Amino acid sequence: QKEVEQDPGPLSVPEGAIVSLNCTYSNSAFQYFMWYRQYSRKGPELLMYTYSSGNKEDGRFTAQVDKSSKYISLFIRDSQPSDSATYLCAMRSTGGFKTIFGAGTRLFVKA
Amino acid sequence: EAGVVQSPRYKIIEKKQPVAFWCNPISGHNTLYWYLQNLGQGPELLIRYENEEAVDDSQLPKDRFSAERLKGVDSTLKIQPAELGDSAVYLCASSSSGTPNNEQFFGPGTRLTVL
Repeated sequence: QKEVEQDPGPLSVPEGAIVSLNCTYSNSAFQYFMWYRQYSRKGPELLMYTYSSGNKEDGRFTAQVDKSSKYISLFIRDSQPSDSATYLCAMRSTGGFKTIFGAGTRLFVKA
Repeated sequence: EAGVVQSPRYKIIEKKQPVAFWCNPISGHNTLYWYLQNLGQGPELLIRYENEEAVDDSQLPKDRFSAERLKGVDSTLKIQPAELGDSAVYLCASSSSGTPNNEQFFGPGTRLTVL
């Protein structure tokens, strides 16, 4: 079993929809939780970062962490065609430098 | 400010040939990472450098892979000899201990195809 599980999709939604992306993990030592966006033929770029449990909002994006369930989510409101990309969850433990990535979910937002 | 630079962007070689990838991190970033990303998968760490020292190379297949960061700036990753299963994207990333969360900045990657 992988340390981080993420449904690869693809996920196809109409423009304006609310998108929910999720990951589960098994290592209770993880404290830093990140979401990266990766466009085709590009490297990943950091989208959201959360420490420990709770919610964090940035514009149309909201990240949620539920450590009791070992479950993290990324919500995208009013999705746009430009949001079409692969979304990777990632996490690491306190004091650790090794970041573990999920497999990524491919998202398509149709105009 | 320039981002992480990688070259070449694409490389096609025949199996058993050697290949090398080059990475120039963001200026001032002391930590450099090489990742392997297979199709449909997330990046997996191969090696991490703090300045010129390799501090985590536990996932680097040392029988055929080698890396160096001689002056603590740019870095080279080499495969010799390449195998069919090495076809993937090789990503370089860098970070600075002075930035929040040690945020890693990724380059565009080198897409390797081994025939």
